[in-house]
Amino acid sequence: DGGITQSPKYLFRKEGQNVTLSCEQNLNHDAMYWYRQDPGQGLRLIYYSQIVNDFQKGDIAEGYSVSREKKESFPLTVTSAQKNPTAFYLCASSVTGGSYEQYFGPGTRLTVT
Amino acid sequence: DQQVKQNSPSLSVQEGRISILNCDYTNSMFDYFLWYKKYPAEGPTFLISISSIKDKNEDGRFTVFLNKSAKHLSLHIVPSQPGDSAVYFCAARVASGGSYIPTFGRGTSLIVHP
Repeated sequence: DGGITQSPKYLFRKEGQNVTLSCEQNLNHDAMYWYRQDPGQGLRLIYYSQIVNDFQKGDIAEGYSVSREKKESFPLTVTSAQKNPTAFYLCASSVTGGSYEQYFGPGTRLTVT
Repeated sequence: DQQVKQNSPSLSVQEGRISILNCDYTNSMFDYFLWYKKYPAEGPTFLISISSIKDKNEDGRFTVFLNKSAKHLSLHIVPSQPGDSAVYFCAARVASGGSYIPTFGRGTSLIVHP
């Protein structure tokens, strides 16, 4: 079945450690996105990529990094520079241009203590 | 500065009645609007959308209305069912350099009571 997978569902890390969240899609979508959801904050865009080997910063990119070496994969690294990393992280993909909707993965809950 | 606002954090409705979720926007360049539904600890799923050239779009129990002059859109769910209980996000998009990146509101939590 086509879709987006994120792993793991829950992730725990110690403060000061970098952590990488996985996102894979088999929908053949060119565009992929990372969002962060905090209570009462809605979905805030971290990074997005419209094509392989290219990505752009979103509204809250500080403390995060991404790569897009393959069309299917868009991993997000939460670095130790991110001041408040505990959140629910959502990956999404879509076709580019025209009328479209985003397809979201199930999310990863990251807890940093 | 929020360009997409969902001013009601929560809404409670009786089963069988109408649910009306509202969304206001400030950017007149937005040309496409979407509603997503999200259950706890899951990713949002697309529900319904509307282009700025239309004022209404209907899909089963869900209807979205767009009032461009007021920069306001609403999602109507009729009749409401307990399974509709979720957080609903409004999103709007502007073609800015071809990025088509949507802006999301903060969501409205809908509770449908049996």
